[in-house]
Amino acid sequence: DSGVTQTPKHLITATGQRVTLRCSPRSGDLSVYWYQQSLDQGLQFLIQYYNGEERAKGNILERFSAQQFPDLHSELNLSSLELGDSALYFCASSVLSDTQYFGPGTRLTVL
Amino acid sequence: SQQGEEDPQALSIQEGENATMNCSYKTSINNLQWYRQNSGRGLVHLILIRSNEREKHSGRLRVTLDTSKKSSSLLITASRAADTASYFCATDLNTGNQFYFGTGTSLTVIP
Repeated sequence: DSGVTQTPKHLITATGQRVTLRCSPRSGDLSVYWYQQSLDQGLQFLIQYYNGEERAKGNILERFSAQQFPDLHSELNLSSLELGDSALYFCASSVLSDTQYFGPGTRLTVL
Repeated sequence: SQQGEEDPQALSIQEGENATMNCSYKTSINNLQWYRQNSGRGLVHLILIRSNEREKHSGRLRVTLDTSKKSSSLLITASRAADTASYFCATDLNTGNQFYFGTGTSLTVIP
């Protein structure tokens, strides 16, 4: 158990819908990272937050947004969902820009 | 395109044999990490090697880093069926914050 929790574990929704994925980092970790893993794209870095502020942005679509709250948990919002958004979404946390601890992931299926 | 790429894409060996997988990357890095992922689960950190280190050991794992060739290798000695997983290298650029994962090597250890 990495100490990083993600909810929900599975999410099935329809195209055009909006969903929110939630992540709670390990106690004491200030950085939260979001990744998307699909079969054909591998593990793609989406965005990083550090102590509530956006620190780095990767291949995140404009339809996606994230935030980190004062209690350090983070949410990833995905809107206007498309079939291609179906993937595993991982959250990871770290103390600094070093070893990352991954959550179990949220499997999103868009029908 | 991916910053890191693992080779081979898939590897199948008998239990007790050694497994070697390689990672190549494109730009200067601060450090390189190896992670393991069991099917559909979160990634687990294995080992980190810094850009000024050439070799590192952790149990049955041996990692080498050649910054002149922009490559790293992960050796798993005396493999076990439980080592069956996908292995990813991750690099962070000198600018820090963003981590780039390769496409992974799928290792199957046959009992």
